[in-house]
Amino acid sequence: NAGVTQTPKFQVLKTGQSMTLQCAQDMNHEYMSWYRQDPGMGLRLIHYSVGAGITDQGEVPNGYNVSRSTTEDFPLRLLSAAPSQTSVYFCASSSYTTDKRNYGYTFGSGTRLTVV
Amino acid sequence: GEDVEQSLFLSVREGDSSVINCTYTDSSSTYLYWYKQEPGAGLQLLTYIFSNMDMKQDQRLTVLLNKKDKHLSLRIADTQTGDSAIYFCAETGDTGNQFYFGTGTSLTVIP
Repeated sequence: NAGVTQTPKFQVLKTGQSMTLQCAQDMNHEYMSWYRQDPGMGLRLIHYSVGAGITDQGEVPNGYNVSRSTTEDFPLRLLSAAPSQTSVYFCASSSYTTDKRNYGYTFGSGTRLTVV
Repeated sequence: GEDVEQSLFLSVREGDSSVINCTYTDSSSTYLYWYKQEPGAGLQLLTYIFSNMDMKQDQRLTVLLNKKDKHLSLRIADTQTGDSAIYFCAETGDTGNQFYFGTGTSLTVIP
């Protein structure tokens, strides 16, 4: 059981380049999300999805796009990379709850992105 | 949005107890969580507590919840060097699906 798989683990981009961070889960989780982690700021939500075909913005969505064509995959696209997007990016998933009972997210191991 | 606050750093000596504190604003969360992040790794769920409980114990970990003051704490007994990590408090707000994380507390264990 692989859980949540993120690729690549490390990436260096030049300002203005675009790229896609991949995230895949094999737990049939409906809910998937992308966070960025910056020192002293904790985890900030970029985008999330409650199921295939449905996405929504989080706290810091500018400069990022997402799509959810399958339950398993939730890629994050950087449209035109900027140095401010240097960060560690985490994908997470969980079952979708309608009764507020959530037993926790499963996280990927992260992608460390540097934009120069 | 919901606010979850933690102090940034904590240092303890090996063998002592560590207490990591967290305050939150949304009283509608059904569960509250503690995650651990080791260097260079993702977050791992350590434990969670149901909102109608005051305390939960799991081996060396004790979680205390004070709903009136919206205060959550994690006590690690007999702290070991392998406990050095960043610890995140989290709550899920009114739907139970979206997580709100604190800034994380970096725990350093001194041998």
